[in-house]
Amino acid sequence: EPEVTQTPSHQVTQMGQEVILRCVPISNHLYFYWYRQILGQKVEFLVSFYNNEISEKSEIFDDQFSVERPDGSNFTLKIRSTKLEDSAMYFCASSGPFGRDTKSSYNEQFFGPGTRLTVL
Amino acid sequence: GENVEQHPSTLSVQEGDSAVIKCTYSDSASNYFPWYKQELGKRPQLIIDIRSNVGEKKDQRIAVTLNKTAKHFSLHITETQPEDSAVYFCAEPMYSGGGADGLTFGKGTHLIIQP
Repeated sequence: EPEVTQTPSHQVTQMGQEVILRCVPISNHLYFYWYRQILGQKVEFLVSFYNNEISEKSEIFDDQFSVERPDGSNFTLKIRSTKLEDSAMYFCASSGPFGRDTKSSYNEQFFGPGTRLTVL
Repeated sequence: GENVEQHPSTLSVQEGDSAVIKCTYSDSASNYFPWYKQELGKRPQLIIDIRSNVGEKKDQRIAVTLNKTAKHFSLHITETQPEDSAVYFCAEPMYSGGGADGLTFGKGTHLIIQP
């Protein structure tokens, strides 16, 4: 069964540095998302992406963050000038297409294994 | 919806007993309610979901019920087994419920199955 993949599994960086987290969504999916989960807390929505542009974003997703789909398979999250509080697990997810002929439940989002970001 | 309340935060049950986790939402326009299971250090995985046009959905030992009037939905796990031990999150769409809608998650319930 196809899965969302993410690299790296663990990223350690110094405060103030830029990081790029990479995701490969499921190949026929149309909608892409980034979430984060601070250790021991709930999953928080960051941004959704569709048709090569941001569809929705939360208050967390400020100017420090950006997303890109540089080619037909990758979906990236860039965090500029990282802060200590950016330390978290970052999950990519994908969903769609939807319709009677698909097996996906309405809005079912498939999550990747996550990238643990540690900012020192 | 931007706020979903989940209870309890921790639930300990004897193996073989049933477990019930409840979530309350605030947006009456919400139309999709998934439940995710997250094992320690792993990704959230969808275990069951329900649309607002039905009141109950069942998949083997797992069921979800929806009460639109009271704006709450519950996860029911029967005949619990050790592998059911995990953190369970409810969620609802943040905005329109369309294809690109992010999910708002509850704070999670740590389910512990006692042997």
